[in-house]
Amino acid sequence: NAGVMQNPRHLVRRRGQEARLRCSPMKGHSHVYWYRQLPEEGLKFMVYLQKENIIDESGMPKERFSAEFPKEGPSILRIQQVVRGDSAAYFCASSPLGEENTIYFGEGSWLTVV
Amino acid sequence: AQKITQTQPGMFVQEKEAVTLDCTYDTSDPSYGLFWYKQPSSGEMIFLIYQGSYDQQNATEGRYSLNFQKARKSANLVISASQLGDSAMYFCAMRFSTGNQFYFGTGTSLTVIP
Repeated sequence: NAGVMQNPRHLVRRRGQEARLRCSPMKGHSHVYWYRQLPEEGLKFMVYLQKENIIDESGMPKERFSAEFPKEGPSILRIQQVVRGDSAAYFCASSPLGEENTIYFGEGSWLTVV
Repeated sequence: AQKITQTQPGMFVQEKEAVTLDCTYDTSDPSYGLFWYKQPSSGEMIFLIYQGSYDQQNATEGRYSLNFQKARKSANLVISASQLGDSAMYFCAMRFSTGNQFYFGTGTSLTVIP
């Protein structure tokens, strides 16, 4: 049973470009979370999604960031017009329906903006 | 406001000895869960142990145990018989029954000395 799969593991973007990070949840998991980890800090919540539905986006920056979890395919975190401050590790996590305390993290995607 | 505090930025322990990593939290919510995660240098977040606020007994998972003192609002992680592979960052996290997100502390870097 594969775990939470994130790709790419490492991504380098120039300022102003777009970054797309993908997350495939564990089999049978219907909830996806995105977290951001800045250097020397703990993880900060960004967004919580179910299939085709954003449940909680209270941690998402108001501009340039968006997330989706379509009916088919992985969840996508999109960052438009990246800036140096977006450089961070982005973690995806998933949990099964009704078991929100059973949360498993992916290995993270490291975004570097140059 | 919910808050998780890890006051030890770095800890050292001799191989085969036990070590306690501190975690305190601040909340007025009566229902919550406490978690510990390990983040090795490779970056992935590995779930270690969970304690519910209404659990009567301290959680244990192999060499990991959680010293839960509800009145003091502390949830310290105890690692017994430390191994070299335990060297990593350790994060304490909290989730509330009424919310969707995890709140993470800033982490403690543990180094096991041979």
